[in-house]
Amino acid sequence: ETGVTQSPTHLIKTRGQQVTLRCSSQSGHNTVSWYQQALGQGPQFIFQYYREEENGRGNFPPRFSGLQFPNYSSELNVNALELDDSALYLCASSLEAGHLDNEQFFGPGTRLTVL
Amino acid sequence: TQLLEQSPQFLSIQEGENLTVYCNSSSVFSSLQWYRQEPGEGPVLLVTVVTGGEVKKLKRLTFQFGDARKDSSLHITAAQPGDTGLYLCAGISSGSARQLTFGSGTQLTVLP
Repeated sequence: ETGVTQSPTHLIKTRGQQVTLRCSSQSGHNTVSWYQQALGQGPQFIFQYYREEENGRGNFPPRFSGLQFPNYSSELNVNALELDDSALYLCASSLEAGHLDNEQFFGPGTRLTVL
Repeated sequence: TQLLEQSPQFLSIQEGENLTVYCNSSSVFSSLQWYRQEPGEGPVLLVTVVTGGEVKKLKRLTFQFGDARKDSSLHITAAQPGDTGLYLCAGISSGSARQLTFGSGTQLTVLP
């Protein structure tokens, strides 16, 4: 059984650029959530995708967008990058959105640095 | 906006000591989880507590959910260097997304 994988591991961009981060969910999981973790902070919920549709969104501007594909892998896109977007971006997959004790399995994250 | 506050933010102790980490909120959560995160990795789930007043034990770790489901604590007995890491509490909302609201974390260092 393959765990959650993310690519790339590290990324450096400049202000104003656009970035796409990728996540492969754990086998059998149809739900993917994305989180932003700034240095020294806990992760903050960006949004969740369930069966290819957005199923909830945190307090992030529209320049943060996402996709989920038929194989349940997912992308996070960020447009017009700002310095404050520098963070570890975590992807988590789970078996089924809405379950009471739904365990989310996290990938190792993508470290994004915006210069 | 639901917020979770963790204390202390940093904790450095000697091997063999006991410690308690606290997680407090003004909001009620349907359930609460504790994670541990190591450098370069994503958080790993330790436990989920669902019922107010619930106590769960995982070897040397004891987790408690407050009666009002607004707060929780993690107690480690006889800490070991392998316990070193960032401990995060996360409340689960009752909405369809079951989104996690994380605390800011407690960085624990256990010195040999």
